[in-house]
Amino acid sequence: DAKTTQPPSMDCAEGRAANLPCNHSTISGNEYVYWYRQIHSQGPQYIIHGLKNNETNEMASLIITEDRKSSTLILPHATLRDTAVYYCIVRVGQGGKLIFGQGTELSVKP
Amino acid sequence: KAGVTQTPRYLIKTRGQQVTLSCSPISGHRSVSWYQQTPGQGLQFLFEYFSETQRNKGNFPGRFSGRQFSNSRSEMNVSTLELGDSALYLCASSRWTGGDEQYFGPGTRLTVT
Repeated sequence: DAKTTQPPSMDCAEGRAANLPCNHSTISGNEYVYWYRQIHSQGPQYIIHGLKNNETNEMASLIITEDRKSSTLILPHATLRDTAVYYCIVRVGQGGKLIFGQGTELSVKP
Repeated sequence: KAGVTQTPRYLIKTRGQQVTLSCSPISGHRSVSWYQQTPGQGLQFLFEYFSETQRNKGNFPGRFSGRQFSNSRSEMNVSTLELGDSALYLCASSRWTGGDEQYFGPGTRLTVT
């Protein structure tokens, strides 16, 4: 089972920041938090990942709480093309296995 | 740099048949993972190959198998197809196994009739 909990859906106005929360209260000290998104009928797209420090790249920012039990993905200026299902994943041990939950369906509206 | 490619993109098979799907990873990537996506079960991990060796396996029956070649290209095979095998099959590649971001291909849409 997935080790994360996300709201099933969220709306965001175009041009505004989209803040997507994720709870991972059972995360272990050496487990990373990864975010992917999947636009309808396409393969998932890697967004960002982090261990305990906040991270930022050209797509998004990742804020991880000090106790590491939750995190927030921030899309600073959401566009209609950001409409997708966003998955928060805690990397389980070593190896290439990603365990996807149900994700958050983000709808960006004009 | 070219992304992950999967062939074929669409496939229709009949129950009882077998199917082989192909995945070419990003150049320089040595790990290939396979996932199945269905409306009911979501995205589920099938297996991962690194340096021609299976490193991880998900909870799927033995009808699902795979292999990886020396050039890192990978194939997965499903034998004795069932209606429930209808799904989007996704391949992802990464440079190494473990702790590295994966890049997904567009998937192969398999329909079993």
